[in-house]
Amino acid sequence: DAGVIQSPRHEVTEMGQEVTLRCKPISGHDYLFWYRQTMMRGLELLIYFNNNVPIDDSGMPEDRFSAKMPNASFSTLKIQPSEPRDSAVYFCASSFMLGSYNEQFFGPGTRLTVL
Amino acid sequence: KQEVTQIPAALSVPEGENLVLNCSFTDSAIYNLQWFRQDPGKGLTSLLLIQSSQREQTSGRLNASLDKSSGRSTLYIAASQPGDSATYLCAVKGKGDSSYKLIFGSGTRLLVRP
Repeated sequence: DAGVIQSPRHEVTEMGQEVTLRCKPISGHDYLFWYRQTMMRGLELLIYFNNNVPIDDSGMPEDRFSAKMPNASFSTLKIQPSEPRDSAVYFCASSFMLGSYNEQFFGPGTRLTVL
Repeated sequence: KQEVTQIPAALSVPEGENLVLNCSFTDSAIYNLQWFRQDPGKGLTSLLLIQSSQREQTSGRLNASLDKSSGRSTLYIAASQPGDSATYLCAVKGKGDSSYKLIFGSGTRLLVRP
């Protein structure tokens, strides 16, 4: 398996533009997680899905952020409109559950810069 | 609310030295603890996962221990090499309402000097 795949790897956009980040989880994994990493706040969980259903979106910072998982092999994180404070590295991770075993595997991340 | 702390924030050692990275957490009700490595500009690579019922896990030159009652974990790196230079993050997976969340520490940035 190629691991978790994210695109684009880098995104530079202007304030007010819509940004869409994409993720393909590892085949067979039934959990998908979106994280944001900044120098100030470290790694924060934004939202996670189980079997394509959003379970906990309490980490989503505001209504400008939305995430979807239309099928088991694809998820998007959208920011509309984007703001400079959204600049960060966004990671997608996936895992499967076997009892209490739940190791998460991370993608390479998307580095977002909002000017 | 679970909080994870890593000390030190940065560490510089000469090649060949054995070293210990520390991780502490405030709520002992955890499912597991995971150690990750992050290289600059890259994603996270899982190194070791310790279940709450385990005391330690080993992989090559790495050994991670877990003392759930005291809320502590250590990552021991033997015979360090320049290629070990990276940021090391620990994360705990809690129980209850946050049972599927990983709560991360802020990391220890390690530099191994040739």
